[in-house]
Amino acid sequence: GQNIDQPTEMTATEGAIVQINCTYQTSGFNGLFWYQQHAGEAPTFLSYNVLDGLEEKGRFSSFLSRSKGYSYLLLKELQMKDSASYLCAVMAAGNKLTFGGGTRVLVKP
Amino acid sequence: DGGITQSPKYLFRKEGQNVTLSCEQNLNHDAMYWYRQDPGQGLRLIYYSQIVNDFQKGDIAEGYSVSREKKESFPLTVTSAQKNPTAFYLCASSHTNRGAEQFFGPGTRLTVL
Repeated sequence: GQNIDQPTEMTATEGAIVQINCTYQTSGFNGLFWYQQHAGEAPTFLSYNVLDGLEEKGRFSSFLSRSKGYSYLLLKELQMKDSASYLCAVMAAGNKLTFGGGTRVLVKP
Repeated sequence: DGGITQSPKYLFRKEGQNVTLSCEQNLNHDAMYWYRQDPGQGLRLIYYSQIVNDFQKGDIAEGYSVSREKKESFPLTVTSAQKNPTAFYLCASSHTNRGAEQFFGPGTRLTVL
């Protein structure tokens, strides 16, 4: 089975950096996804990691350590529009995604 | 424009009634998925389909049924057997290659009165 843990909520100031951690236990691994979801809307894709290391994409970066079952999403130069939930999801065989509970990030002025 | 659509956006039903949620995609994706999301929580997989005329149960399939008669369509029926049907329902689709990104529809918020 799959078990995915991430913090429930984080607060940060506009312009700052926030790191959202995700730990997982899985019986099969085809990669780890991060999605952003604004309230009442569909999740949108942010990043995909299947190999260890850091993937950078503009203000967002994602890191994976398969041996530790650990990933983080780094949000730099925070903007008010970054206030949203961030979902960590692990992909198993058959491309089945299992989601964590999501981390709600509140950006304050 | 390619995309995935769900209708309606909001749906109200009386307890004991079956209701069918629509999901259509024109992205030429073979795989389609249904998720349920409760307030403040992540997504849970209800059913998924990797190819036409085939589908598998996800983690919370009880009280739900699906069909996959066409590649573009994957309707979900919420039956009266589902004990707590009020939730936000999200449909997604993807290619079937390893690690393929799932694209989500806008969701249907179902309220059972």
